Amino acid sequence: GAGVSQSPSNKVTEKGKDVELRCDPISGHTALYWYRQSLGQGLEFLIYFQGNSAPDKSGLPSDRFSAERTGGSVSTLTIQRTQQEDSAVYLCASSPILRGAETQYFGPGTRLLVL
Amino acid sequence: GENVEQHPSTLSVQEGDSAVIKCTYSDSASNYFPWYKQELGKRPQLIIDIRSNVGEKKDQRIAVTLNKTAKHFSLHITETQPEDSAVYFCAASKPGGGADGLTFGKGTHLIIQP
Repeated sequence: GAGVSQSPSNKVTEKGKDVELRCDPISGHTALYWYRQSLGQGLEFLIYFQGNSAPDKSGLPSDRFSAERTGGSVSTLTIQRTQQEDSAVYLCASSPILRGAETQYFGPGTRLLVL
Repeated sequence: GENVEQHPSTLSVQEGDSAVIKCTYSDSASNYFPWYKQELGKRPQLIIDIRSNVGEKKDQRIAVTLNKTAKHFSLHITETQPEDSAVYFCAASKPGGGADGLTFGKGTHLIIQP
């Protein structure tokens, strides 16, 4: 079946502008995660959604970052007043299992460049 | 929270030789340890994982070992091939994953020399 998809694949924006990144998880996956990967670095966990429950926002790097998940499926990560240090690849992953350790399947990522 | 250390950061091996990448974790509650392979410009792909109720798992040329007492786990690739060249990430997760997500190591750039 279809994997995790993300859009846009690339985004170039000017400092101070807002951006929205979208993630479509694998159908039926209840858990959804957002990560950030800076150039040549590992993956930094940002936020997690379990179904429709309110997310744990403690991993978000600043209050300029927010995320929502509508209907327990599609998720949007919003970055307000973007800064150059926000430039990175933003990866979304989804997982099918409610309990126990989950296997996460990643999307292709959105490459964000803030000029 | 969980902290995952990964070594080495870069590993160069001759084609056909074996490669070993090692990770340690800090939280004894972690019980799921996946390994992801990421080729340049592509998404991380799960290649193998191990859960804390087993000490070793093998899939063709790839194997992972886990030592819960020492809190470390390793990826072993035998008979390396050019297509094994990529960045490999280890990760750890507690039961339910959830709000902590996966905690990743910083990655190992594996280079297979022809």
